Amino acid sequence: GAGVSQTPSNKVTEKGKYVELRCDPISGHTALYWYRQSLGQGPEFLIYFQGTGAADDSGLPNDRFFAVRPEGSVSTLKIQRTERGDSAVYLCASSQLGTSTDTQYFGPGTRLTVL
Amino acid sequence: GEDVEQSLFLSVREGDSSVINCTYTDSSSTYLYWYKQEPGAGLQLLTYIFSNMDMKQDQRLTVLLNKKDKHLSLRIADTQTGDSAIYFCAESNPTSGTYKYIFGTGTRLKVLA
Repeated sequence: GAGVSQTPSNKVTEKGKYVELRCDPISGHTALYWYRQSLGQGPEFLIYFQGTGAADDSGLPNDRFFAVRPEGSVSTLKIQRTERGDSAVYLCASSQLGTSTDTQYFGPGTRLTVL
Repeated sequence: GEDVEQSLFLSVREGDSSVINCTYTDSSSTYLYWYKQEPGAGLQLLTYIFSNMDMKQDQRLTVLLNKKDKHLSLRIADTQTGDSAIYFCAESNPTSGTYKYIFGTGTRLKVLA
């Protein structure tokens, strides 16, 4: 596709439920990133993948959060036992590692609301 | 740890220049970026600068980098109402072994007609 796409654009769930958020990166981009943006804040890094493997997951807040990228393209961010504090916009980005700029291109985000 | 700070608000009149400032703490930062976020939209890359540069100009945008003071600024010439948005600076340091970006809290620019 032309850019990074994310689905769903909005997700409302109840406390304690499980959610999955999907990201489709730019075709051919080897790196994929997840960020979380709370209201009035800048994006905060969660995890990034090089190919299929998680190269840095230091930003995941706890073990309720998990992400996969099984074929090195689409990624899914999974949140178990959601809490109200998980409400935020979850942003996905992709980049072509190895270029001089390593610029990350962002998707429109998924707004998660936990009631 | 790494930290990036920005002032929260800026208001300018249409046609004036806007200057958005950013300070960062990681002296090893290699790349510095400016992104624009409009309501309900994702982050749009505006421009970037390498740490070995002092200035970069791209049409109405001028980026200035003062490495000694760890200060980055974005100047928008002839600001238009369409420039109203939140502007984020971000830094990265791939030599540290990770490609994550550290973002500031964003500066909300309001352009008055």
